[in-house]
Amino acid sequence: DAGVTQSPTHLIKTRGQHVTLRCSPISGHKSVSWYQQVLGQGPQFIFQYYEKEERGRGNFPDRFSARQFPNYSSELNVNALLLGDSALYLCASSLDWVGMEQFFGPGTRLTVL
Amino acid sequence: TQLLEQSPQFLSIQEGENLTVYCNSSSVFSSLQWYRQEPGEGPVLLVTVVTGGEVKKLKRLTFQFGDARKDSSLHITAAQPGDTGLYLCAGRAYSGAGSYQLTFGKGTKLSVIP
Repeated sequence: DAGVTQSPTHLIKTRGQHVTLRCSPISGHKSVSWYQQVLGQGPQFIFQYYEKEERGRGNFPDRFSARQFPNYSSELNVNALLLGDSALYLCASSLDWVGMEQFFGPGTRLTVL
Repeated sequence: TQLLEQSPQFLSIQEGENLTVYCNSSSVFSSLQWYRQEPGEGPVLLVTVVTGGEVKKLKRLTFQFGDARKDSSLHITAAQPGDTGLYLCAGRAYSGAGSYQLTFGKGTKLSVIP
């Protein structure tokens, strides 16, 4: 069975641009969460989606947005990129909104120049 | 804001030695999880502890949840080079509006030298 997949693997953008990151959860999982992991830090929660609705939001500015599609895949969008947005963006899927066990994808490494 | 303090941040030990990693918070969590992350990969769940005072063993790894559900420890016996990696603790708490959130510590980077 395929695990959580994320695309692209790596991405280089310049300040002010926008970016879209994609995530496909494990088959049968209905919840997707997004995390930002800055170098040398632990992952920081950005969003949780369950059944296409936002269930939770971390302390991130409105430049960050996400959505979940009917097939439970998800996109994370970041507008007006800043240098500080450079990080590994992780997607995690779980069976339901409780998310007792989350399975993480390999992440998308975003570099903002 | 809930914070998790992990210590030490870095640990370099010889193969066969024992080690303990600590995870502390002033907040109470409904459960606490430990993950291991390899370079270029996402974190992989090792264990979830739910009950205060709970101890779980996974081969050479022993996990403990504090009585007050605010702290946890990970003990590795007879470390092996394959144990090398970033160990992350994460506290789960209900945030309202039908959502549980994970708060991660900064991680402990472990190197086991053959």
